[in-house]
Amino acid sequence: NAGVMQNPRHLVRRRGQEARLRCSPMKGHSHVYWYRQLPEEGLKFMVYLQKENIIDESGMPKERFSAEFPKEGPSILRIQQVVRGDSAAYFCASSVTREDNEQFFGPGTRLTVL
Amino acid sequence: GQQLNQSPQSMFIQEGEDVSMNCTSSSIFNTWLWYKQDPGEGPVLLIALYKAGELTSNGRLTAQFGITRKDSFLNISASIPSDVGIYFCAGQLGSSNTGKLIFGQGTTLQVKP
Repeated sequence: NAGVMQNPRHLVRRRGQEARLRCSPMKGHSHVYWYRQLPEEGLKFMVYLQKENIIDESGMPKERFSAEFPKEGPSILRIQQVVRGDSAAYFCASSVTREDNEQFFGPGTRLTVL
Repeated sequence: GQQLNQSPQSMFIQEGEDVSMNCTSSSIFNTWLWYKQDPGEGPVLLIALYKAGELTSNGRLTAQFGITRKDSFLNISASIPSDVGIYFCAGQLGSSNTGKLIFGQGTTLQVKP
């Protein structure tokens, strides 16, 4: 049973470009969470999605960031017009249900903005 | 916003020693989770706690959900070199119904052979 998959593992973008981060949850998991981790810090919640629905986006910046979890395919975190401050590790986690608080994390995507 | 205070920030111990770290908050949590993160990797779930007062073990690891629901601790007994890493507590607020986790700042553990 494969774990949470994320790709790419490393992504380099220049300021102003777009970044697309992908997450495939564990098999049988229909709940996806995105977190951001800055160096030397803990993870910060960004958004929680179920298939085709955004449930909680209280941690998402109001501009340039968006997320989706379509009926088919992986969840996508999209950052438009990236800036240097977007450089961080972005982690995706999945769980079986909303009530199941055991979230399993992927290996992360390390975004570097030049 | 809500915050978890995790301490100590870092520890440097001798192999074989026991380790203790804890998290506290001014808010009530209904779930506590402890994760370990190795460099360049995602957090790996170690222990999950769901009830106030609950004491749970996973091998050499033991964690407890504080009776006030505002704190939790993690103990590692007889540490070994592969215990090196960053340990995070994470909790789900009692008032939350979306499953989002709030993370502590992490405890960096180094073990000297």
